[in-house]
Amino acid sequence: GQSLEQPSEVTAVEGAIVQINCTYQTSGFYGLSWYQQHDGGAPTFLSYNALDGLEETGRFSSFLSRSDSYGYLLLQELQMKDSASYFCAARGADSSYKLIFGSGTRLLVRP
Amino acid sequence: DAGITQSPRHKVTETGTPVTLRCHQTENHRYMYWYRQDPGHGLRLIHYSYGVKDTDKGEVSDGYSVSRSKTEDFLLTLESATSSQTSVYFCAITPRGGETQYFGPGTRLLVL
Repeated sequence: GQSLEQPSEVTAVEGAIVQINCTYQTSGFYGLSWYQQHDGGAPTFLSYNALDGLEETGRFSSFLSRSDSYGYLLLQELQMKDSASYFCAARGADSSYKLIFGSGTRLLVRP
Repeated sequence: DAGITQSPRHKVTETGTPVTLRCHQTENHRYMYWYRQDPGHGLRLIHYSYGVKDTDKGEVSDGYSVSRSKTEDFLLTLESATSSQTSVYFCAITPRGGETQYFGPGTRLLVL
């Protein structure tokens, strides 16, 4: 089976740095993705890690450690607009490009 | 924007009635997916398609059926809606060879 675990809620202050963790158990593994979803909206893709290490995209970075079955999303210089839910997702070892999603972390950015 | 639309965007129906949700894409992507999203459960895969008339079940397929007679349309049918199927339904596509999924705007379904 496959499952991804992430904290349900994180609160941080505007301008700060926050890290959202994700641990996964999959029967096969290609890589770890991160999606952002604002209330009432659709999920949108943020980043993808196929290899160990850090991927940086502007204020957002994502990290993967295959040996630890662990990844995280790092958000820097937090802004109020970053208040949203963040989902990690993993693709299993088949050809269908199916994703299994974590249950999501709700990030609240306070002034 | 991956050219994905969903219809209807909102629907209220009664228990026991059939409901069909439509996902339409304009870019001839092969892979299409239907998810439901409920509080505390994230996104759960209902069914997916890897080509015209090629579909398979996801993790929560009971009570749902799908059809894909054209590349651009992927239909999700609730044969006899139940209150437990009240949810937000998202359609998604994966471009060929890609790792990214692009989501439609969602359909909010309320089954009374």
